[in-house]
Amino acid sequence: QTVVTQEPPFSVSPGGTVTLTCGLNSGSVSTSNYPGWYQQTPGQAPRTLIYSTNTRSSGVPDRFSGSILGNKAALTITGAQAEDESDYYCVLYMSSGIWVFGGGTKLTVL
Amino acid sequence: EVQLVESGGGLVQPGGSLRLSCAASGFTFSDNWMLWVRQAPGKGLVWVSRIRGDAGITNYADSVKGRFTISRDNAKNTLYLQMNSLRAEDTAVYYCVRGLVSISVLVAWGQGTLVTVSS
Repeated sequence: QTVVTQEPPFSVSPGGTVTLTCGLNSGSVSTSNYPGWYQQTPGQAPRTLIYSTNTRSSGVPDRFSGSILGNKAALTITGAQAEDESDYYCVLYMSSGIWVFGGGTKLTVL
Repeated sequence: EVQLVESGGGLVQPGGSLRLSCAASGFTFSDNWMLWVRQAPGKGLVWVSRIRGDAGITNYADSVKGRFTISRDNAKNTLYLQMNSLRAEDTAVYYCVRGLVSISVLVAWGQGTLVTVSS
């Protein structure tokens, strides 16, 4: 069974930089997994931040960036702001035609 | 502006059926992959299904395979999810998601519709 892994709850100071990662229990993440990153605050629908590894969605501030770091996908927030306090989910595409989400990381800005 | 508006959610008994709809606008619906994603109360996001623009490819999560059917009416710019043999664990907010033309990456989300399976 494919499991997508994300960090447990994380915190960052205002103005700081944080990198969240997205891994696979069965191997390395590559651009062929088309990693995506989504931000969700309580009671709201998810918002797309990044898709296809590093493509920023329309209207997303450039402090959000996506990449492959080692064997994982990564979301970096440079200059975190209070409004970035949210749940962050990654998703990976599998060659069988399915998508698998990670369990999410709750980010606190304090 | 891309708009995705889900409807059809509600309370249904275990074993029952429900059909969700997603009305799309602001893009060429017939060209794009479309997907359904769900989120149980207090839990994370779970991918449910996807369908190509011409409906020539569909895929499902194992948890819904054989019970749910994704379809689309490109003349009406509408995506559907027929849900049969519903179980308590299908209780969730169901989101309609737009993909791209060439790949089913998740790009834009609707606001969701709540499905509650309970007796």
